[in-house]
Amino acid sequence: AQKITQTQPGMFVQEKEAVTLDCTYDTSDPSYGLFWYKQPSSGEMIFLIYQGSYDQQNATEGRYSLNFQKARKSANLVISASQLGDSAMYFCAMREGLRLEGTYKYIFGTGTRLKVLA
Amino acid sequence: EAGVVQSPRYKIIEKKQPVAFWCNPISGHNTLYWYRQNLGQGPELLIRYENEEAVDDSQLPKDRFSAERLKGVDSTLKIQPAELGDSAVYLCASSPLRTGAITGELFFGEGSRLTVL
Repeated sequence: AQKITQTQPGMFVQEKEAVTLDCTYDTSDPSYGLFWYKQPSSGEMIFLIYQGSYDQQNATEGRYSLNFQKARKSANLVISASQLGDSAMYFCAMREGLRLEGTYKYIFGTGTRLKVLA
Repeated sequence: EAGVVQSPRYKIIEKKQPVAFWCNPISGHNTLYWYRQNLGQGPELLIRYENEEAVDDSQLPKDRFSAERLKGVDSTLKIQPAELGDSAVYLCASSPLRTGAITGELFFGEGSRLTVL
């Protein structure tokens, strides 16, 4: 069965420094997608970055990068040059299957609350 | 392009009362999801739709929860009667089908926060 584990309930980081948020996953499907979402206090889930299971390179989106270690089944989010606006909950999520037809179940981890300190 | 719209944003009711949440997905998005998010937790799937068909409602507590997606566009999630443990944020998300997009991420609404007293 699919499972997403985020072991860090809360993290602190100094402004302008980098931070890594951990995510491990479990699936028996060789095809899957991994996502990171940001949820500010306003409540909306904001998509940050995606990694497909067959992607050879780690995904990057601006200050966000995903450290994908397939053998270890980990997909850690790295935020470089942290900003005060990065303070939020961060969720790792997984979707089994890579076909773009049909619907899929997306499962989420329990989240990590990040606080950026000035 | 308008995002996923949910209403109401906040609802406070007494236990045993009914409540309904409405979701309008992004135009053209065929798939729709309802998630429940308890305080400090990640979203948990309640039901997912492909067009008007509920393709996975295995985690929907059917004794008190119901959902519909008439005409395959907007959707309503109902709880009757509500219990104290139903206090949570109810998130609606949509995703396009056959977009050719690489990622296929979910697009979320702002959620409906329910408090049951």
